[in-house]
Order: sequence, then C-alpha cells, then structure tokens
Amino acid sequence: AQSVTQPDIHITVSEGASLELRCNYSYGATPYLFWYVQSPGQGLQLLLKYFSGDTLVQGIKGFEAEFKRSQSSFNLRKPSVHWSDAAEYFCAVGAGDYKLSFGAGTTVTVRA
Amino acid sequence: NAGVTQTPKFQVLKTGQSMTLQCAQDMNHEYMSWYRQDPGMGLRLIHYSVGAGITDQGEVPNGYNVSRSTTEDFPLRLLSAAPSQTSVYFCASTRGYTYEQYFGPGTRLTVT
Repeated sequence: AQSVTQPDIHITVSEGASLELRCNYSYGATPYLFWYVQSPGQGLQLLLKYFSGDTLVQGIKGFEAEFKRSQSSFNLRKPSVHWSDAAEYFCAVGAGDYKLSFGAGTTVTVRA
Repeated sequence: NAGVTQTPKFQVLKTGQSMTLQCAQDMNHEYMSWYRQDPGMGLRLIHYSVGAGITDQGEVPNGYNVSRSTTEDFPLRLLSAAPSQTSVYFCASTRGYTYEQYFGPGTRLTVT
C-alpha cells in the first residue's frame, strides 16, 4: 500500500526567507502526487499536483514542487514566504483507485 | 457553484447519541469521500463512493455508515458516538476520474 512521510512536524521561517517542505512516498509505480494547504479553521486547498511529464511543477501562490523518482520525494518550495503562508501543509499520494493517502502534515509558522 | 458544502460546522454529542453529517456538492462529481483529521495523523479515509449507489470502506470505517442515493449528496452517519470519534470531518469530491479532490470546510465534532 502507498504511504506518505512528512519528516518535519513544524517549521518556523522568517518572512521573505525561502521555504522547503519535505515529502517522501512509498509506492511501486509512478504515483500521482499532491500538495494541499490548510489555513487555520479552513478546509484543504490544492496547491499543485504531479501526474507525469516535467518533474518540476508550478502551483498557486508561488509554490513549486519537484518530483525525484530516485529519492521517492516530492518536496515543496517557495523562494520567499509571506506571512499569509502560515498554515499546515499536507503531501498526498494517489495510486490506482482514486483514493488519496495523506502525510501527517507540516505546520509552518512565519515570523516577522 | 457552491462547491462542497458541509453541515453543521460544529457539533457536540454525548456518548451513545447518533447523528448525520451532511455533505453536498454541485459539481456533478462521481467520486466522493469522507476523511477525519486528528492532530499528528493527517487525514484518514473513512468511506468513499465512486457513484450513486456504490460505497466502500476506507482506512477507518468502524462506527460510521454512509449511503449515496444521489450524485450530489453523501451523508456520514455516526450510529453510537464515542469519545474516540472526536475529530474534524472533511468531505471531498473528485473531479472526473482523477485524484484531484475538492474539500468542504469541515465539521468539528466533539463527543463527551
């Protein structure tokens, strides 16, 4: 069965600094990969997705992610964070049956 | 489009009570699912449906029932609430036969 690991429970970053969130997945074939963001008290919003093709994927709000098959990773990055990026971020993998498996999430705190 | 709607937003139940969490979508999506979100555990799939009249169990189905009589609605029933069911519940629908899921705003349930 597929699984997702987000090694960092909590990351604190200064406003304007770069951000990278790690995601490792376990799946035998090429997975469908997603990053979602959840602002406090809100539902989940899709940031970006990878199905195939170019391994560098651009998403909304200035985020990007890179699929690395050799490392089974799909890390999320943003060059310069804004205070509004403070949220919880979830990596998810889908594989073969339209269900998603989610990681435990990474909480991002942005300090002024 | 309203997207995915959930009612109620908040609910407090006593142990042993039953209730139904409502979920509706107006995007004509075939695939719908219910997740629960608990701290440090990400989202876990409770039940899902690939179309009207078809439902199946997810990762944590015990204590919950679902039915899907229409494409639009996918209610989640708690038959006899337990404190372990205290959680935030999210309903999601999937665009086409992809993994791209659209989430409702969630229902925060407390069982005392």
